[in-house]
Amino acid sequence: DTEVTQTPKHLVMGMTNKKSLKCEQHMGHRAMYWYKQKAKKPPELMFVYSYEKLSINESVPSRFSPECPNSSLLNLHLHALQPEDSALYLCASSQGPIAKNIQYFGAGTRLSVL
Amino acid sequence: DAKTTQPNSMESNEEEPVHLPCNHSTISGTDYIHWYRQLPSQGPEYVIHGLTSNVNNRMASLAIAEDRKSSTLILHRATLRDAAVYYCILREQYGNKLVFGAGTILRVKS
Repeated sequence: DTEVTQTPKHLVMGMTNKKSLKCEQHMGHRAMYWYKQKAKKPPELMFVYSYEKLSINESVPSRFSPECPNSSLLNLHLHALQPEDSALYLCASSQGPIAKNIQYFGAGTRLSVL
Repeated sequence: DAKTTQPNSMESNEEEPVHLPCNHSTISGTDYIHWYRQLPSQGPEYVIHGLTSNVNNRMASLAIAEDRKSSTLILHRATLRDAAVYYCILREQYGNKLVFGAGTILRVKS
C-alpha cells in the first residue's frame, strides 16, 4: 500500500474560520511534507517533518500551523486565511528525508477562501 | 537548490517513444536527478531517479549525460494516460526538499 490519504478533498472557508487539513499514511514513513500548489503552477514546499519534528518551514505565514501528532498523521491548521491562500494543498511522505527516498503524494485538498 | 530547465511543452503520438529533456548545468557531484509527473487533478507521482548511471524501471528510462549537466526521461511507448506535467528535479544528497521547476506539459495524440 503506497497510499497517502488527504481529507477533506474540497474545503470552502471564510476568512474568519478555523479549519484543519488531515493527511495520513500507513507505510511507516518517517518524513512528511506539506506543499501548496496554485493553478497552473508547480507545487511549492511549505513544511517538512522528519521523525515527527518540524525540520523545515519555508517562511510560511503563521496563519498556517502544521502539526504531526504521530508518525502516521500530519495536520495543517488554518486560521484567518486570505483569498490568495486558495490553492491545492498536497501532502507527501517518504521513508526518510534523504535524496534517494521517493516521495508519495496524496491527491490533495482543494481549498477556497471566500 | 540547483536549477533545471525543461521545455514548456511537448507533443507525442500514441505508442511512439517520447524523449523529455532536462538541462541542469549547475548540478553538484552529489545531487540526485529525480523525475515526477502530475496527471490532471492528481498529486505528483514518482517516475524515476538516478545519480550517475542510466536507470530503467517499469515506467520509464533515465539517460544521464556523462558530464551530468543534462538528462533525458524516456517513455518507450506513450499512451494517452501518460499525458501529464513532467518535472525534472535535483535533490541534494542529504536534502529533504523537492524543489519543483515549471515542468514540461506532455500532450499525447491518438
